[in-house]
Amino acid sequence: EAEVAQSPRYKITEKSQAVAFWCDPISGHATLYWYRQILGQGPELLVQFQDESVVDDSQLPKDRFSAERLKGVDSTLKIQPAELGDSAMYLCASSRTANTGELFFGEGSRLTVL
Amino acid sequence: AQSVTQLDSQVPVFEEAPVELRCNYSSSVSVYLFWYVQYPNQGLQLLLKYLSGSTLVKGINGFEAEFNKSQTSFHLRKPSVHISDTAEYFCAVSVMVSGSRLTFGEGTQLTVNP
Repeated sequence: EAEVAQSPRYKITEKSQAVAFWCDPISGHATLYWYRQILGQGPELLVQFQDESVVDDSQLPKDRFSAERLKGVDSTLKIQPAELGDSAMYLCASSRTANTGELFFGEGSRLTVL
Repeated sequence: AQSVTQLDSQVPVFEEAPVELRCNYSSSVSVYLFWYVQYPNQGLQLLLKYLSGSTLVKGINGFEAEFNKSQTSFHLRKPSVHISDTAEYFCAVSVMVSGSRLTFGEGTQLTVNP
């Protein structure tokens, strides 16, 4: 069964350092999402791509966060510089279309900022 | 904008007992509704979805949910739970507009005790 791949699974970094997360969606899925999940809360959408274009980044802290999906397949989410409050699980998800909300999630990347 | 409220943050039950996890939503337009499950240190997995048609929807692992438009609710039920059902459950909503974002509730931790 096809899965959404994410790496790394765990990342520990010091504040002010740069960190990057990678996601490879299910083949053929045009829509890709990055969510942030703070411990004890529900996921919050950071950015949504349709193919290589950003369609929603209204909740992305653009002063320190960036995301790209250059060829419309895999994607990278970067944080620079990392802050203590960025400690969270970063979840990537994909869907065949953006019309119904049926998302397939990866296992996530857990970030700890010291 | 749409929103989701999960009425219980934690639900402890004994094995083989029935369970109901409550979810209410708010939206000015028609919605799609979802329940996702998250096991520790993993991504989210779709349990079931309501897109249209019958208001009683059945999902994986013996779960079902009923869409009640007048009550704006989408409660999740299972007649007899197992230890393996212990997990975090998230209710989510998106509106019937192309590209609409999926909005999650805060989650309900279901703990099944022997």
